[in-house]
Amino acid sequence: KNQVEQSPQSLIILEGKNCTLQCNYTVSPFSNLRWYKQDTGRGPVSLTIMTFSENTKSNGRYTATLDADTKQSSLHITASQLSDSASYICVVSATGGGNKLTFGTGTQLKVEL
Amino acid sequence: EAQVTQNPRYLITVTGKKLTVTCSQNMNHEYMSWYRQDPGLGLRQIYYSMNVEVTDKGDVPEGYKVSRKEKRNFPLILESPSPNQTSLYFCASSRQVSYNEQFFGPGTRLTVL
Repeated sequence: KNQVEQSPQSLIILEGKNCTLQCNYTVSPFSNLRWYKQDTGRGPVSLTIMTFSENTKSNGRYTATLDADTKQSSLHITASQLSDSASYICVVSATGGGNKLTFGTGTQLKVEL
Repeated sequence: EAQVTQNPRYLITVTGKKLTVTCSQNMNHEYMSWYRQDPGLGLRQIYYSMNVEVTDKGDVPEGYKVSRKEKRNFPLILESPSPNQTSLYFCASSRQVSYNEQFFGPGTRLTVL
């Protein structure tokens, strides 16, 4: 069964600090891995999308890494801001019909002063 | 502005009363999908459509219907809602399947009494 597991479940950090969120997956056959940011009560917004051949991708202060051999990904947030407080969701797509996506349950990040 | 819109944003209804949640996108996307999000379970796909008149079941299709008569619209129909369908619903669209960013709507919070 395809699964995506994220850790930690929740995280509190001080403004200006860095943090790293983890994602492990067992989705097969692998197509791509996406990280989304979801503010409370709003729809998810895409941060990065990586295919099998890409092992790092940045979007501003967000940097995602992918190790397709170990089936692990991480999302690193640099110099956190209060506006980074949100849920971060890892999503893995399998090849084949239907753009089959498997969603993780997310890491709830809170950035405090 | 490129966007996915959903209506209504909030709905409280009673068991058995048929309802429709509308979804519309203005990006000429072929692929559209419906998800529900429940605490601790993450986003789960209900139905998806790869193009006009083409729809298919996702992971949790029971109790739901969809139609795709036009490219821009993808309504979600609950013929006889039940309390276990109380959830936060998201519509999403993307240009095609596979390696394309999905754009999510703002969500519809449904409560079935």
